[in-house]
Amino acid sequence: QVQLQESGPGLVKPSETLSLTCAVSGYSISSAYYCAWVRQPPGKGLEWLGHIYHSGSTYYNPSLNNRVIISVDTSRNQFSLNLSSVTAADTAVYYCARQAWTEYYFDYWGQGILVTVSS
Amino acid sequence: EIVLTQSPATLSLSPGERATLSCRASQSVSSYLAWYQHKPGQAPRLLIYGASSRATGIPARFSGSGSGTDFTLTISSLEPEDFAVYYCQLRNKWPLFGQGTRLEIK
Repeated sequence: QVQLQESGPGLVKPSETLSLTCAVSGYSISSAYYCAWVRQPPGKGLEWLGHIYHSGSTYYNPSLNNRVIISVDTSRNQFSLNLSSVTAADTAVYYCARQAWTEYYFDYWGQGILVTVSS
Repeated sequence: EIVLTQSPATLSLSPGERATLSCRASQSVSSYLAWYQHKPGQAPRLLIYGASSRATGIPARFSGSGSGTDFTLTISSLEPEDFAVYYCQLRNKWPLFGQGTRLEIK
């Protein structure tokens, strides 16, 4: 079955870069889906951060002001998120998800990882 | 820029009752509208895509409808496990989520 699992540090210092990886099993990320990152700050709703296709093409949420980079490693069937210059406002549960090619819905999600930005 | 507004913010109902959740777009949009159920500590769960298509394994008591600017998620008879936060999500230039409706036990 399709599974996604986030990993990475749970604590990041302000101004540093948040780095997470999503390991995918049960399907090939070289298939016709996007790989996406979504986050949920405490007490708030869901926010799409960006997605990548296995070709390497990316699209990011403009509200993040060019702080996001998503990369893909098809040989390991995983993809990664880098969010630079973090502040306390970036504290959130970060989810990786499979995003449908045309309709942009998310049919499989990781369990999420809480990342806290604090010194 | 399109804004998705969900109402009500909180809905208090009892098991067995019918739940009607609304998602309104600030301008007419495509029918690429999805609904998710989200419980604390869990991943969101896709319920509906394409405004009215149930995702794999979703019980028939969940149904979606609507077009243009107004979309609805209906749960025909609430089960205890249905109490959660529900989000709508649209394909805009990028994926856009509503702010959520909390469905709580009355």
